[in-house]
Amino acid sequence: DAGVIQSPRHEVTEMGQEVTLRCKPISGHNSLFWYRQTMMRGLELLIYFNNNVPIDDSGMPEDRFSAKMPNASFSTLKIQPSEPRDSAVYFCASSPTNTDTQYFGPGTRLTVL
Amino acid sequence: GESVGLHLPTLSVQEGDNSIINCAYSNSASDYFIWYKQESGKGPQFIIDIRSNMDKRQGQRVTVLLNKTVKHLSLQIAATQPGDSAVYFCAETRAYNAGNMLTFGGGTRLMVKP
Repeated sequence: DAGVIQSPRHEVTEMGQEVTLRCKPISGHNSLFWYRQTMMRGLELLIYFNNNVPIDDSGMPEDRFSAKMPNASFSTLKIQPSEPRDSAVYFCASSPTNTDTQYFGPGTRLTVL
Repeated sequence: GESVGLHLPTLSVQEGDNSIINCAYSNSASDYFIWYKQESGKGPQFIIDIRSNMDKRQGQRVTVLLNKTVKHLSLQIAATQPGDSAVYFCAETRAYNAGNMLTFGGGTRLMVKP
C-alpha cells in the first residue's frame, strides 16, 4: 500500500488567497484526521471524519477553515482567505475500523506570505 | 525540515546506549497509548502501542512501559542508533464507538551522538 497520500507537498501563497490541501487515505480505512503542526503549538487535531462524516470539528480554528470528505478515498482541507498565521505543516492521517492506530501522510508545508 | 516545537525537551545519548523517553498523560480514562516517531520533514510514524490491560510491551529494540497508577508512559530504545534521532510523541485515547481521537503529548527530541 502507498500509505496516506497528501498533495501538494509544499504550497506557498499570498495572504488572502484560497488554499486547498488534499488527502487520499489508505484504502479500507474508515477514519480520516486533519492535523496542523507549528513550532509554537505542536500537533493539533483540526477535524476528523468517520465513514466520510465529520465527527468532531472543534479543532478548526476559524470559519476560514473548512474540510470535506466526498468519498472514502478523498478529503480536502480548504483555507479561504489564507493568512500568514496559517503557515504550518498540515498532516492527514487515516485509521482502520476498530483500531486506534493512525497512519500519517508526509504532510503539506504551507507558507502564507 | 521544521516540524516540531522550539522548546521541546531534548535527550542526548551516545550511540549504542539505551534511551528512555518519558511521557505523562492526563486522562485516567485513556485505555490505549501509542508512541510515534517523527523524523525531520516527515509525518509521525507509528512505533509501538499498548493497551491499558498491559503494563509492558516489547517490539524490536523498543519497549513501552505503562504505569496507570501515576499515569506515566515510557519508551525504551535499546542500543540507540543514529537513525533513531527524531522527535518522539506519545498519544493517548479512550476508544470511541464512532471514532478514535488521539491526544498527543508535546514531544521529546532524541539526539544520538556518534
